Parts: sequence; C-alpha cells; structure tokens
Amino acid sequence: DTGVSQDPRHKITKRGQNVTFRCDPISEHNRLYWYRQTLGQGPEFLTYFQNEAQLEKSRLLSDRFSAERPKGSFSTLEIQRTEQGDSAMYLCASSLVIWGRSTEAFFGQGTRLTVV
Amino acid sequence: DAKTTQPPSMDCAEGRAANLPCNHSTISGNEYVYWYRQIHSQGPQYIIHGLKNNETNEMASLIITEDRKSSTLILPHATLRDTAVYYCIVRGAYNTDKLIFGTGTRLQVFP
Repeated sequence: DTGVSQDPRHKITKRGQNVTFRCDPISEHNRLYWYRQTLGQGPEFLTYFQNEAQLEKSRLLSDRFSAERPKGSFSTLEIQRTEQGDSAMYLCASSLVIWGRSTEAFFGQGTRLTVV
Repeated sequence: DAKTTQPPSMDCAEGRAANLPCNHSTISGNEYVYWYRQIHSQGPQYIIHGLKNNETNEMASLIITEDRKSSTLILPHATLRDTAVYYCIVRGAYNTDKLIFGTGTRLQVFP
C-alpha cells in the first residue's frame, strides 16, 4: 500500500498522560499536514511541513502539542498532559509541491484518540 | 480562501444521480473548486477539482457555473457505498497550504 499511513489507529489514554502519533506520507510527497476532527465537524487544520520545515501552526495547536518531521519523511504529533477535550480524530495528509503548485492532498485513515 | 456554502444533508436513491450543490460566491479568478468526501470513520478522499471548465473523472463530474459562483458535484449512478459527507473547498492555485473544510453535505444513499 503506497498511501498515507497513520499509527496507531486508536489510542485510549488517561487524562494527563502524553501520547505520540506517527504519520508516514506517500514517499515522494514533500508537504505534510496534520488535522484534527471532532464529531460532526469537518477537519480542522493544525500544522504543516514542507520537507522538514514546519511552515505554519494553527492557534488550535496549544503549547501542549508539538509536531516534528525530522528528516522530511515521517512525522510525529505529540500531545502532552492530555485533556478530555483532546479526544478527536487526528488526520495526516500529504501532497507534492512543485514550482509552488500542490497536487491534491491524500489523507490517512486517522488516529482516534480517546482521553478518559 | 473563499468560503463555501453547502446544504447539510441530502438523500438519493441507489442508481440515481446525486447532485450536490455548492455556493462559493466570493471565489476569485485563480481559485480552484475541490471536492473531497469522507466515509464514516475514514480519512477524507479526494474526488475531483476544477477551475472553470467542467471536469469528469472515474468517480464524478464537476459542473461549474459560468460566473464560477457555484458548482455541482454529480455522482452519476449513486451506490450505497457513496453514503458519506461531501466537502466543497475553494483553494488558490498557488496556495499550497491547508485545505479549509466546512461541515459539508451528508449524502445518504438509500436502496
């Protein structure tokens, strides 16, 4: 399968614990996005990378959230001191940007986080 | 990016064409219309996009009005597997960052 893969698919954690999610984009894609989606809402943008550089962060991304893409390939999203309000689906997407133009973005299946 | 307006829900009989409208009255000349759909508990799936000409691919057709202020996504022969939330998004040609999703249209295909 050469699509975007996310791991784990589901995560249940206790409030106050730290969690980390991984995203493996399509191999030649240089742009990687993270989104969060709560029940009944469309996905909300969190942050994106061009290769290893984090180019934009949403104000939704509080200081408890950090994302990395150390070698411009896979990315991790860490949430520290989780709160119940962090319960959501976390989606990763990737695209290829050439000469300033982006292909369509392809999404992974998401990681569903439940904070109890 | 321009905002879009979609009806919250629609029904369609299996085998019939599903026509999903989208208003984007503030679209500018270099902005594309993208459509994605999201089947329950899965990530969004790209369907089609267009600038001003009508587009067709193996999944759907996109009809954009001449003034570009609205568009319609057509699924020519809807199946039960087309039941999903459909998102219409306007995105600049050289805007290579995030897609802004609204709440979309929930399409229910019934037997």
